[in-house]
This record gives sequence, structure tokens and C-alpha cells, in this order.
Amino acid sequence: GIQVEQSPPDLILQEGANSTLRCNFSDSVNNLQWFHQNPWGQLINLFYIPSGTKQNGRLSATTVATERYSLLYISSSQTTDSGVYFCAGRDAGNMLTFGGGTRLMVKP
Amino acid sequence: EPEVTQTPSHQVTQMGQEVILRCVPISNHLYFYWYRQILGQKVEFLVSFYNNEISEKSEIFDDQFSVERPDGSNFTLKIRSTKLEDSAMYFCASRTGWNYEQYFGPGTRLTVT
Repeated sequence: GIQVEQSPPDLILQEGANSTLRCNFSDSVNNLQWFHQNPWGQLINLFYIPSGTKQNGRLSATTVATERYSLLYISSSQTTDSGVYFCAGRDAGNMLTFGGGTRLMVKP
Repeated sequence: EPEVTQTPSHQVTQMGQEVILRCVPISNHLYFYWYRQILGQKVEFLVSFYNNEISEKSEIFDDQFSVERPDGSNFTLKIRSTKLEDSAMYFCASRTGWNYEQYFGPGTRLTVT
């Protein structure tokens, strides 16, 4: 199966700052999802983005499938953005393989 | 907006006991999944289920685990004889037959003492 690496593992931001989270894949993926895990442990769907760019408010994501990476951009960060961000990819099978996550803390 | 629901939100059980975790997937979805996340670690795939049978399973999903769709709405994960290392958050997910995006439930936190 594929390997999924996320960077950075930890990130501390001041409120209002922008950030870029990265997700690298060891092999081609057929779909890619980004999630936010909130302090209660819930996985919130952010993006389903096999390729191209999508935007949702202050968040946007870009996947370059041919180069096996995806980026999540957070602009004007808020304290409520804190939590762990996971990317997950699917290769030829049916399951998602998750990365290790980026733990984000946004300070007021 | 439709969502995946899971019950209970938290379950505490003693080692060796059987537990059943319940999920109600989104109503028009056809593929169902269980994942788990040990505290502080990444989310790991356990099993996928389609057309009333297991379509894929991981090495974690050994003989002590089973899944069932007992009726048209529920999807369950049974752990026959729990071990301390089964303590984790268990997530149910589902998707349609034509879109690969998986939607996750809020999770059940299982604590084995």
C-alpha cells in the first residue's frame, strides 16, 4: 500500500497568520481527502480533492497528482482552527491510508 | 445535511468482554468502513463492507473482529474478547457507489480496563 507523509508534524501560529500544510504520497493516489480532527476527536471533512484546487472560505487545497503531493492552505488563522489536520489517500483499493497528521495550535 | 452517526460515544468495558459498536451510515450510501485511532496515533483502516460482505480488511482485523449489517440502516463492529490494546477511537465511514469521498462518523471511544 501507499505511504503518506505529512509535514510539519507540529505548527504553532499567531492568530491571523497564514500556513501551508503538506502531504506527500509514495505512489499514485486515486483520491485524496483532508480532514480536521477537533478537540473532541471528531474527523471533519475539509476537502475531497483528487486533483486541482478547491477553496472553502479561508481554507484551500491543491493536489498535484502527477507529483504525488497535496497542500492545504489556511489563511488568517483563528483559534478555532487548532487541532490535528490529516490527509488520506486511496490507491487502487477501497480504503483510505492516513498520514501522521499536522498538529496545529493557533494562539490568540 | 445527512451524516453518519455512531453509538455509544464512549464505552468502557473490562478485558475479555464482548463489545458491539453501532453505526448508522448515510442512507443512500453503499460502502461502509471501520477505522480506528489509538490515542495520539494515526487513523488506521480496519475493514470495508459492500453488498453484505467484507470487501477488504487489514491485518488488524483478525478473528476477534466481525462486522454485520443486520438491517437496512445499522452497521456494527463486534469485538469478541476485548484486550487492553483495543482501547482506541473507532470511526465508521460510508460513501456512495459512484463517489469515493468517505464521510466519517463522530467516533466511539472504547476504553478497555
